[in-house]
Formats: sequence, structure tokens, C-alpha cells
Amino acid sequence: ELKVEQNPLFLSMQEGKNYTIYCNYSTTSDRLYWYRQDPGKSLESLFVLLSNGAVKQEGRLMASLDTKARLSTLHITAAVHDLSATYFCAVDNYGGSQGNLIFGKGTKLSVKP
Amino acid sequence: NAGVTQTPKFRVLKTGQSMTLLCAQDMNHEYMYWYRQDPGMGLRLIHYSVGEGTTAKGEVPDGYNVSRLKKQNFLLGLESAAPSQTSVYFCASSWRPGTVYGYTFGSGTRLTVV
Repeated sequence: ELKVEQNPLFLSMQEGKNYTIYCNYSTTSDRLYWYRQDPGKSLESLFVLLSNGAVKQEGRLMASLDTKARLSTLHITAAVHDLSATYFCAVDNYGGSQGNLIFGKGTKLSVKP
Repeated sequence: NAGVTQTPKFRVLKTGQSMTLLCAQDMNHEYMYWYRQDPGMGLRLIHYSVGEGTTAKGEVPDGYNVSRLKKQNFLLGLESAAPSQTSVYFCASSWRPGTVYGYTFGSGTRLTVV
């Protein structure tokens, strides 16, 4: 059974600081997604990581995937208040014929001045 | 440019009542999914469909039924609502899982069962 663990679950940061969110998963997969969710809103796709060593960057966020370690990281550089949201990683359980996402519990990020 | 549309957006049900949530997508996607989101739990898969006329159970299917009579629509039914089904429900669709195309999510339905 595929399980996905994120840590930390809560993160309070000061503006300007750097931090990393970790996403570990339990079985072999090389398809991992990062989403952002604002309160009361839907999920916004941030990154799609499709191979070992994949690295994607958008603004102050950078995501990477190490399939051998079954680990993805979301690195935040020089945080700003607008990054406050909940971030989810999800592993694509696409084996077989169906495909579906297995989500971590999410990391609630709060960036304070 | 509709993408995935869920109706209704909000609903309050009494215990024992029934209702149907509708998910419609206009992207010609084969794969459709229903998830529920509870505080601190992330999203969990309820049921899914890999094409018109097909459905299958996900991680938490009990108390729900689904139908996919048309390719563009995926319905989630609650036959006898229970307070434990209070949640936010998200529908998603995919053209091809495991690819860069990923998944498209609807805006969610907030359901309260009293």
C-alpha cells in the first residue's frame, strides 16, 4: 500500500527565511505532484515531477524528486507572506490501468512579517 | 474554459437524507475521481472511473455510490447521509495519469450533515 508522509505538518516562518518541506513515500514511483491550496479553495498545481533527479523551479519555490530515496522536497527561498497556504505532495499511483493520487496530509505554511 | 465543474458548491443535509453531487468536465478526459478532504487528513480517494460506464472503489468508498453514464459526467451519491460524511468533496479528471498532463481539480463541494 502506497503511503505518503509530509513533514512538517505546520510551519511558521518569518519573511525572508528559507525552509524545506519534505515528502516521503513508501513504494516505487517516479510521478509526484505538488499542489497549493488556499483556505476554502481548490488545489492549484505547482509542480509535476516525472523522473528521478527532476528539479522544477517557479519563483521562490523549487521542487525536486529522488526516486531512489523515495523523497521529494519543496524548498522555499526568502519567504513572503503571499506564500502562506497549505502545500500538498501527491504520488501518482498510476500502475495498472487506473492512476490516482495518494496525498500527504499537507503542510500548513504561515509566513509572518 | 470551464475545466471541471462541481455542483452544488455548498449543501446542508439532515442525517438520513440522500443527495447527488455532480462533476462535469469538458476536456474529454477518460479518468475521473472523487476525493474527500477532512481536516488534517489530506485528500482521500472515494471512487474513480477509467471511462464511460466504468467505476471502481477507492480508499474510502463506504456510504457512497457513483455512476459514469456519460463520459463528461461523474456522479457521487449519498443514499443515507451520516454526520461522518461531513467533508469537502473534490472531483478531478485526467487525460492520462502519470504524465505531465496531471490532474485537474474542481472547486469543491462543502457538505455538512447535521
